[in-house]
Amino acid sequence: KQEVTQIPAALSVPEGENLVLNCSFTDSAIYNLQWFRQDPGKGLTSLLLIQSSQREQTSGRLNASLDKSSGRSTLYIAASQPGDSATYLCAVPQETSGSRLTFGEGTQLTVNP
Amino acid sequence: NAGVTQTPKFRVLKTGQSMTLLCAQDMNHEYMYWYRQDPGMGLRLIHYSVGEGTTAKGEVPDGYNVSRLKKQNFLLGLESAAPSQTSVYFCASSYLGTERTPLHFGNGTRLTVT
Repeated sequence: KQEVTQIPAALSVPEGENLVLNCSFTDSAIYNLQWFRQDPGKGLTSLLLIQSSQREQTSGRLNASLDKSSGRSTLYIAASQPGDSATYLCAVPQETSGSRLTFGEGTQLTVNP
Repeated sequence: NAGVTQTPKFRVLKTGQSMTLLCAQDMNHEYMYWYRQDPGMGLRLIHYSVGEGTTAKGEVPDGYNVSRLKKQNFLLGLESAAPSQTSVYFCASSYLGTERTPLHFGNGTRLTVT
């Protein structure tokens, strides 16, 4: 069974700092890896989707990398801002389970002004 | 553009009562999903649909039923609510399967069963 782990569970940084969030998964037979953001009391917002054939994907100040063979992905946030404060989740659809996504429990990020 | 809309936002039920959660999407997406989110358990898939008139079981389907009579709507029913079904429920949709396209989520329904 696929397991997705995100470390650390919580992270607090000062504004302006560059930071990295980690995601690891146990089964490398994945189609892609997706990063989401969840604000308190809200649903998840899709940030980036990296296909299994890609090594990284960028959107604005966000850069996600994928090392499928080692079962790891990182989300790099440049020049963090207080508005980046949220919980960040990663998820993978496993090749053997069609449309079922397995989610990590997320990293709660706080960016202090 | 509304995206994915869930109703109601909050609900309190007594054990044994029934209810239906409504999900509507206006993006012409084929796939729709119901998840529940619980502390320490993360997001878990309850049921999903790959198109109008189809449904399939997810990871935790027991105690729930679903229907997809129209492409834009996906209903989640609880026939006899139990305290273990206290959770935040999220509906999501995707243009194609999640092996190719990202998920779009609604803002959730917070359900409490007493």
